[in-house]
Amino acid sequence: SQKIEQNSEALNIQEGKTATLTCNYTNYSPAYLQWYRQDPGRGPVFLLLIRENEKEKRKERLKVTFDTTLKQSLFHITASQPADSATYLCALPRGSTLGRLYFGRGTQLTVWP
Amino acid sequence: ETGVTQTPRHLVMGMTNKKSLKCEQHLGHNAMYWYKQSAKKPLELMFVYNFKEQTENNSVPSRFSPECPNSSHLFLHLHTLQPEDSALYLCASSQGEGREHQPQHFGDGTRLSIL
Repeated sequence: SQKIEQNSEALNIQEGKTATLTCNYTNYSPAYLQWYRQDPGRGPVFLLLIRENEKEKRKERLKVTFDTTLKQSLFHITASQPADSATYLCALPRGSTLGRLYFGRGTQLTVWP
Repeated sequence: ETGVTQTPRHLVMGMTNKKSLKCEQHLGHNAMYWYKQSAKKPLELMFVYNFKEQTENNSVPSRFSPECPNSSHLFLHLHTLQPEDSALYLCASSQGEGREHQPQHFGDGTRLSIL
């Protein structure tokens, strides 16, 4: 069955540095991958989607890469700020039914001043 | 700000109670989802509705009963729950199943505690 792993439960970095979060998957070849942000007590919020034929996607300070050979996506936040502190989830489509997602456990990012 | 509203935000109930969770979306979407989120675990998909028809029941116990009267409203009826059912229950919507690459829009969830 499909499996998603996010590199660590928690990542702590200093303000201004680049945060890099990892999402690895096994046992299938997804057509796309999504990243979400979740704040405590709130639902996840969609950030970025990257398709299998795209190597990189950018949105403001966010950058996502997608390496289908390594079966890995990297999520970067440049010039990180304390307001970026949250849990970040990666999600991949479930099987052949488009629109349904598997989610990773998430990585809790803390950016300290 | 969210286009998906869930009520109540918090719910405490005994194991023999019956209660319902409500979800409403104002985005004009055709697919709606229920997820369960427990501490340290990934979001677990429970049910999917597409154009009011249930298209997935992900082996959810019968003590959870979904209802989708129209594309904008989704309910989760609860009865005879167990302590392990305590979790955050999230509702989400998207434009429609089969529409690839569509992100899901989540509500802020109902925090459910079973005594």
